[in-house]
Amino acid sequence: NAGVTQTPKFRVLKTGQSMTLLCAQDMNHEYMYWYRQDPGMGLRLIHYSVGEGTTAKGEVPDGYNVSRLKKQNFLLGLESAAPSQTSVYFCASSSRTSVFNNEQFFGPGTRLTVL
Amino acid sequence: RKEVEQDPGPFNVPEGATVAFNCTYSNSASQSFFWYRQDCRKEPKLLMSVYSSGNEDGRFTAQLNRASQYISLLIRDSKLSDSATYLCVVPQESGGYNKLIFGAGTRLAVHP
Repeated sequence: NAGVTQTPKFRVLKTGQSMTLLCAQDMNHEYMYWYRQDPGMGLRLIHYSVGEGTTAKGEVPDGYNVSRLKKQNFLLGLESAAPSQTSVYFCASSSRTSVFNNEQFFGPGTRLTVL
Repeated sequence: RKEVEQDPGPFNVPEGATVAFNCTYSNSASQSFFWYRQDCRKEPKLLMSVYSSGNEDGRFTAQLNRASQYISLLIRDSKLSDSATYLCVVPQESGGYNKLIFGAGTRLAVHP
C-alpha cells in the first residue's frame, strides 16, 4: 500500500502560470482533502470531497479549483499562480467519518514557490 | 480568539525529561480531539485521540478539560526521536461533515 501520494514534490512557478497538483490514494477512502501549510499557521483546508464527483469549498478556496473524477484521485488546480500561493500543500484522505473517527492520512506534501 | 491555540515553543528539553503542551479551543461543542505529530518537512501523522477525560499510550498521556476548554499532551522520559512539532486538532461539524481544525503546532527539541 502506497497510502497517499502527491505529484510533484517540488515546483517553482512564475506569477500567472497555471499548474495542477495530483493526489492519489489506494485505501478506498471516501473523503479527500487539500490543505496548505504556512509558517506559524495551522493547516488550512482549501477544498474537500466527500465522494467521487463531489467537491466543496474549505476555509481558503479562492484561487484554487479541484476535481474528483475518480474516487482515488483528487486534483488541485491553480489557474493563475500568485506569490501568496507559495506554500506547502498537503493532500489527505479518510474513510467515511463519524464523530469518533476523524483520522486523516496525509501525503508527503508539495512545496510550491511562486516568483 | 483563534479556534485552536497552541504555544509555538520551541520547548528545548534534555533526554529523559517530562514535558507538557497545552492547547485551548473555542468550540465548546467539540466532543473528540486529536494530537498529530509532524516531523520536519514531513506530513502530519495521528499520534493520539482523546474522547473522554484522557488517554494514555506508553510515555504519552493526553488529557481533556472540557470546563476550561483545553487539551494537554504529556510526554514522559523524552527521547531524541520525540523531536517534532505536535499539532492539536479539533473536529468541527460543518454541514453534516466533521472537518478538522489544526493548531499551528508546538515544536519540541530533545537534546542529549
